Formats: sequence, structure tokens, C-alpha cells
Amino acid sequence: DQQVKQNSPSLSVQEGRISILNCDYTNSMFDYFLWYKKYPAEGPTFLISISSIKDKNEDGRFTVFLNKSAKHLSLHIVPSQPGDSAVYFCAASATNNNDMRFGAGTRLTVKP
Amino acid sequence: GAGVSQTPSNKVTEKGKYVELRCDPISGHTALYWYRQSLGQGPEFLIYFQGTGAADDSGLPNDRFFAVRPEGSVSTLKIQRTERGDSAVYLCASSLWGRDTQYFGPGTRLTVL
Repeated sequence: DQQVKQNSPSLSVQEGRISILNCDYTNSMFDYFLWYKKYPAEGPTFLISISSIKDKNEDGRFTVFLNKSAKHLSLHIVPSQPGDSAVYFCAASATNNNDMRFGAGTRLTVKP
Repeated sequence: GAGVSQTPSNKVTEKGKYVELRCDPISGHTALYWYRQSLGQGPEFLIYFQGTGAADDSGLPNDRFFAVRPEGSVSTLKIQRTERGDSAVYLCASSLWGRDTQYFGPGTRLTVL
């Protein structure tokens, strides 16, 4: 069963504009959420995380928003740069459960 | 410092053969994870080690898959009687402790002909 869903397989934005990547989850036990970025032939690289006790976490150009009632989180990248072009994975884990569940990923293309 | 490394980077084998995939975690990381990523999908959890013991192996698809971490550092994922459906990228990750940020290796691309 797909407990973490990324419904947009791809997203294309212009350099300098905002990129918004979305993620939905079904398991109400998830309390820790992460975004990973992946370039071809490399492993996923940790980008940013958020605990369920928060609704926003910001790190430079990257902000993650969590809406627990809607079981939805999003990653905002402002301003987007061509080097941000990659596949972005949303992941979630629950207390007392060390395995992370990943979404299928969204391929972001930032055009110069 | 050195990140997570995995060897080999690519492995091509024939159906029915046995393969071993190796993971070297970041030094000092007590937690180690194996994931499998099929085309167009996100990583799928296989097994989690805390130290030398497999704390959670609920993601292993069947008894053809086995993993060890005898000294609490390097881990080996072993697949017996490989099938074409086992073809995927096998990712290893490590973290300082369970539920801390996981750092991934580049993966081993396994192709079963």
C-alpha cells in the first residue's frame, strides 16, 4: 500500500520562480517527514525535515510546510535555480518504527 | 569525511545465481538500512540494523533475501536464486542512531538476465 504519495511525477518551472512540490500521506502515525533530492546515478541526499510538532521549517531557499489535518506536506524552493533540477522524494516515519516510507518522487526541471 | 559507499556499482547476473551486495556506512553510524528502488518508484525499505542485529527485517520480500552486519559496520545483502524481478537499484543508508537523518550511498544497480 502506498502510504506516501507524490501525485505529480514531474514539474517544470522557470529559473527564479517558486517551485512547489507536494506530498500526501495516509498513515496518521507518521510524525517525522523528510525531503530528499536525487541526481542521476547518485543516492538520495537529505534536504530538509519537519517534525509533526511544527507546521513549518525553513532552511535557506527551502521551506517545508506540514498540514497534519490534511495529511499533506509541501516543499517550497524560492528562488528556483537550474541546479535544483533533480528528483525529489518525500519520506515519512512513525515513532517506534525506524523504516521510512518514500513517495514515488517528483522530477523537477528548472529552466534557465 | 567519507560518505556511505556501496560495491559493486553495477552487477549483472543470470537468473538463479547468488549475489552479494556490500555497504560501508559512515564511520560511527550505528544504524544501517537497506532499500530497493525500482524504476519510477521511491526507495522501498528492506531491513534495518541497529549495531550488529537486524532490528527490523519486515521489508525483506522473501527468504531468498538475507542481510548481515557481523561487526556492526559493513553490511552485506545476500540474494539467493535471483529472479528477473529482483532487478533494481539497491540502496544502503546509515544514520548516527535510529530515526536520525539517513545518509544514502550511490546504490548498486542489479540486473538479472
